[in-house]
Amino acid sequence: GAGVSQSPRYKVAKRGQDVALRCDPISGHVSLFWYQQALGQGPEFLTYFQNEAQLDKSGLPSDRFFAERPEGSVSTLKIQRTQQEDSAVYLCASSFQLSYEQYFGPGTRLTVT
Amino acid sequence: DQQVKQNSPSLSVQEGRISILNCDYTNSMFDYFLWYKKYPAEGPTFLISISSIKDKNEDGRFTVFLNKSAKHLSLHIVPSQPGDSAVYFCAASSNTGNQFYFGTGTSLTVIP
Repeated sequence: GAGVSQSPRYKVAKRGQDVALRCDPISGHVSLFWYQQALGQGPEFLTYFQNEAQLDKSGLPSDRFFAERPEGSVSTLKIQRTQQEDSAVYLCASSFQLSYEQYFGPGTRLTVT
Repeated sequence: DQQVKQNSPSLSVQEGRISILNCDYTNSMFDYFLWYKKYPAEGPTFLISISSIKDKNEDGRFTVFLNKSAKHLSLHIVPSQPGDSAVYFCAASSNTGNQFYFGTGTSLTVIP
């Protein structure tokens, strides 16, 4: 497909489990972003990649959150020892360049029980 | 601290009338603004953008107005259609940063 894809679409984890969320950006898009969207809120920035370089991770809420994009295309957001407050929709977006509009994937809804 | 605010969580408009969605921001460094539309269980979809060198940008039924002195932007949809019913987010960024800051969204319902 031509759009941003994310997997899984839904994930239920027990508190303390580790999870890995995948993002496939649009081919050729240099910039990739991860956002966290809590219920009733707008997306909140987590981290940004330009190609394989993670240039900004200021939005990651704790050191339990880790993101990588080793080959400059697919990215993985990993959350270790999940907590209930991690329950949210995790959105991935990509853009051709930093200053261009971002194209979002459908998101992964994470529920921590 | 919310740098982009959408103070109306919901809006209902009759089909064919104008929908006006509002957004305020606090950071004077913001110079690029976007509107996104979101349907349930989907990611936000880019709708229209405006840079701070303009005060208006139009694309079909959608027009975005920017008032830099008031730090306010609005999205006008005319005429409104039932398919426009969705949550609308405004977002802002500055050319010195790499983050987009989103508002909390306004849920628009267009009544047939």
